[in-house]
Amino acid sequence: SYELTQPPSVSVSPGQTASITCSGDKLGDKYACWYQQKPGQSPVLVIYQDTKRPSGIPERFSGSNSGNTATLTISGTQAMDEADYYCQAWDSSHVVFGGGTKLTVL
Amino acid sequence: QVQLVQSGAEVTKPGASVKVSCKASGYTFTGCYIHWVRQAPGQGLEWMGRINPNSGGTNYAQKFQGRVTMTRDTSISTAYMELSRLRSDDTAVYYCARDGLTSSFDYWGQGTLVTVSS
Repeated sequence: SYELTQPPSVSVSPGQTASITCSGDKLGDKYACWYQQKPGQSPVLVIYQDTKRPSGIPERFSGSNSGNTATLTISGTQAMDEADYYCQAWDSSHVVFGGGTKLTVL
Repeated sequence: QVQLVQSGAEVTKPGASVKVSCKASGYTFTGCYIHWVRQAPGQGLEWMGRINPNSGGTNYAQKFQGRVTMTRDTSISTAYMELSRLRSDDTAVYYCARDGLTSSFDYWGQGTLVTVSS
């Protein structure tokens, strides 16, 4: 079955750029999207179709997808961005999530 | 505005079944797939399957085949997920989510905690 691999944790200083990767076989041939989840809350879509931001998502969130890796980039990271982030893609008619990355802003 | 409102928390015993509802509002219910995703305590997101509210057609993750049934009632814009033969490791928060025709989930329910304990 198809798998998506994320680093368990990423740390970033406030104001710096955070990059979270998501790896999967020929992931670049699929659409990738990203969700942010804060403790006790439902996930929130922050990037869809590789690079697009839903309405209301700050411009500091951006995405890319090429080859075997999709990347979520947060520019000028703020304390409020500390959360778990999950990538997601489709494999045939099934959905696959990455294992999640805990972003720490310190 | 789009909303997905789920039923309340459940406590149930091993071997039993649970049925969680997800009431949609603010859009045409039959226009978007509804997916079910669960999250065990301290763990990541796990996709369970989806239902086409228009046709009733379903796709289930292989892990849950034979144990999960997804249905809908279009008259009340509500989707249901029933999981049977529950085990303790089915203890999780269960979410419904809307597929906004962008290959991603643009709206999520608030989650339903299902606790399986003897």
